[in-house]
Amino acid sequence: IAGITQAPTSQILAAGRRMTLRCTQDMRHNAMYWYRQDLGLGLRLIHYSNTAGTTGKGEVPDGYSVSRANTDDFPLTLASAVPSQTSVYFCASSDSAGGATDTQYFGPGTRLTVL
Amino acid sequence: GQNIDQPTEMTATEGAIVQINCTYQTSGFNGLFWYQQHAGEAPTFLSYNVLDGLEEKGRFSSFLSRSKGYSYLLLKELQMKDSASYLCAVRDSNYQLIWGAGTKLIIKP
Repeated sequence: IAGITQAPTSQILAAGRRMTLRCTQDMRHNAMYWYRQDLGLGLRLIHYSNTAGTTGKGEVPDGYSVSRANTDDFPLTLASAVPSQTSVYFCASSDSAGGATDTQYFGPGTRLTVL
Repeated sequence: GQNIDQPTEMTATEGAIVQINCTYQTSGFNGLFWYQQHAGEAPTFLSYNVLDGLEEKGRFSSFLSRSKGYSYLLLKELQMKDSASYLCAVRDSNYQLIWGAGTKLIIKP
């Protein structure tokens, strides 16, 4: 693994189903983030984790949950998917939350369609 | 509220120079980032400004004026591979990134 990986690459999901998007990084970064990207809108933060064992809510957290059991993994779960959750989901990581030159590095994304 | 404004789309000619502007209104300021995103791909880091002035990195330069809430990304000697979206993001007082919607840059031969 080099950098950040996400799985699956794409998924079509029936409304009401549960879905977990996976994210793994091998850079030993402390902070990890989940964003969604929709046409015409900027990236919007769903949830974040400043360090293993802690998580926080971003701008659009409703309908999503996360966990951070270890440094490398940061899964995003949709408990009961709805069509408005159709989007491209990006996972990102950074060396430290709040550092002067903290730069976020992104995974390749998961394209999710909820029907 | 917090707001980042960028033009939606710009067109430029191969070999030319283009300037992409970004204005922001955020709760606090802890740095401004520019990212490049090719269609269907992830954003990749281009530049970071936290002090006023110009940061140059090869063909790309980024400028910041904190008093005006303004930044621009300058791309020189445009190449076809520069066709992409360019995202401006500001780190606010909570150290979260607030993102603009991006500027789609179209390069014509």
